Formats: sequence, structure tokens, C-alpha cells
Amino acid sequence: KAGVTQTPRYLIKTRGQQVTLSCSPISGHRSVSWYQQTPGQGLQFLFEYFSETQRNKGNFPGRFSGRQFSNSRSEMNVSTLELGDSALYLCASSSPEGGNIQYFGAGTRLSVL
Amino acid sequence: GQNIDQPTEMTATEGAIVQINCTYQTSGFNGLFWYQQHAGEAPTFLSYNVLDGLEEKGRFSSFLSRSKGYSYLLLKELQMKDSASYLCATDNYGQNFVFGPGTRLSVLP
Repeated sequence: KAGVTQTPRYLIKTRGQQVTLSCSPISGHRSVSWYQQTPGQGLQFLFEYFSETQRNKGNFPGRFSGRQFSNSRSEMNVSTLELGDSALYLCASSSPEGGNIQYFGAGTRLSVL
Repeated sequence: GQNIDQPTEMTATEGAIVQINCTYQTSGFNGLFWYQQHAGEAPTFLSYNVLDGLEEKGRFSSFLSRSKGYSYLLLKELQMKDSASYLCATDNYGQNFVFGPGTRLSVLP
């Protein structure tokens, strides 16, 4: 079974631009969660989708948004990028049948210049 | 809400046993999870506990006491490759994880 796939692996953007990150979950997993990881803040929860519905949202500004498609693939969008958005963005998928264990993709490393 | 604490750093010797503690204050969760993360890589799942007690998986074991708000990860027969960060996390009834700050473990020869 293929793991969680995130694209792209690396991104360099400038302040004010927007960016879209993609995540393909493990086949059969309908829950996709997004996290931001920085050295100072650790792993911070952004949002979680299940069957195309956002079930939970973390404490991030509205510039961070996401969606999930009918095939469970998910995208995350960040608009009006700020320097502080530079981070590793991780996607994880899970299923209730699998004990809700979250399996992570390799991440997208975003650098905002 | 959920607040999770872990020691920032630990050091141990190859072949030894190390216990990494995790304390939490949470309004509720289904399970408590442990992940390993090597520098520059994604977290990988190690172990989890739903019920109180010890769960053993090879060299790794995890313990949970809900009444004490406490968990630990036990690593036996330490190897150099075990040098990594170890993250404790609780799930929000299966919806999202809340992670602790992580414990950076250094294994010395």
C-alpha cells in the first residue's frame, strides 16, 4: 500500500504570494489532517477533513484554508504569505478502522523570502 | 483543551534503557500516541495506548495512566539510530492530534 504523498517537497515563495500544497492519503483513509512544524512552536494542528467536510480547525488565521476532494485527496492554501509562514507542512491520514493512527507524509518545506 | 509536557532533551548510552515521560492535562481523548522523528524527516508511528497499562512492541514499550495524566515511552537496547525526537500526542476523539513539544534523545557510544 502506498503511503501518504505530499507535493511539492520544497517551495520557495516571496512575501505576499500564495501557495497550494497537495496531499494524497493512504488508500482507504478518509481523514486528512494538516500540521505546521517550526523549530519554535513544534507541531501545530491546522485543520482536519473527513469525507470532504472540515471537522476541526486549529488556531490559525483565515489566510490558511483547505479542502478535500471526493477521492480524499486534500489541498491546503496559504494566501498573502508572511515570513513567519516558513515551515514544514505535514499532512497525515488515518482511518477509524486503523485505530485513528495518523500516518504522515514526508512534508512540504516552504521558505518565504 | 489539551496541554502536553515532555522533557526537552535527554542523553543515554548505546545499549542502555531510557524512559521518556509525557504529562498532560486534557479534556478527553481516545488514545495517547508516540511518534519518532529524525531530523528533517516526517514523524513515524511507534506505539499507542487506549487503556491504562503497558503496551510492548519489540524494543519499544509505552505506558499510560489516565488517572495520573501520565505516559512514558521505554526504549530498550538503545542503538545509535534511536537518536531522534520523540513526540507524545493525544487524539481529539479521533479528529486531530495535539502534540507535545518533543524530547530530543541523543544516544552516545
